[in-house]
Amino acid sequence: NAGVMQNPRHLVRRRGQEARLRCSPMKGHSHVYWYRQLPEEGLKFMVYLQKENIIDESGMPKERFSAEFPKEGPSILRIQQVVRGDSAAYFCASSPRTGENTEAFFGQGTRLTVV
Amino acid sequence: GQQVMQIPQYQHVQEGEDFTTYCNSSTTLSNIQWYKQRPGGHPVFLIQLVKSGEVKKQKRLTFQFGEAKKNSSLHITATQTTDVGTYFCAGLYGGSQGNLIFGKGTKLSVKP
Repeated sequence: NAGVMQNPRHLVRRRGQEARLRCSPMKGHSHVYWYRQLPEEGLKFMVYLQKENIIDESGMPKERFSAEFPKEGPSILRIQQVVRGDSAAYFCASSPRTGENTEAFFGQGTRLTVV
Repeated sequence: GQQVMQIPQYQHVQEGEDFTTYCNSSTTLSNIQWYKQRPGGHPVFLIQLVKSGEVKKQKRLTFQFGEAKKNSSLHITATQTTDVGTYFCAGLYGGSQGNLIFGKGTKLSVKP
């Protein structure tokens, strides 16, 4: 059973370009979280999704950011018109969320650098 | 909004000393989880506490969940250099539909 897979591991974008970050959850997990981490800082919640549904996007910036988790395929975090302040590590986590089994398993992260 | 406060932000200890990090939430949690992130790595799940007053041990690590389910602590006895990293607590709010909110973490450094 492969772990949570994120790609790319490293992504460089120029200001104004789009960034697309992908996350394939662990097999059997239908709950996905996205977190952003700035250097030397903690994990900031962005969005929580289940298959085809956004459950909580209270941590997402109102503009330029969007997330989806389609019925087939990985979850996508999309950042349009990137700015330097978007440079960070973006972690995806998946969870089975069955009964008391709610622990999250993290991917290796995507390190986004905006130049 | 939902927030989990974690202190201290940094802790430097001599190898063999004990270490404790604390988490506090203003609202009751469904459960609390603890994660460890090594430098340059990703968070790795350590443990989950669900019941009021629960205490769990993993070798030199002791995890506690407060009676009111609003606070938690992680205590490491006799730290080793392999304990280096950032320890995060994460509170689950709202049961099955809730999201997982992380504290800012405590970065532990251990001097040999």
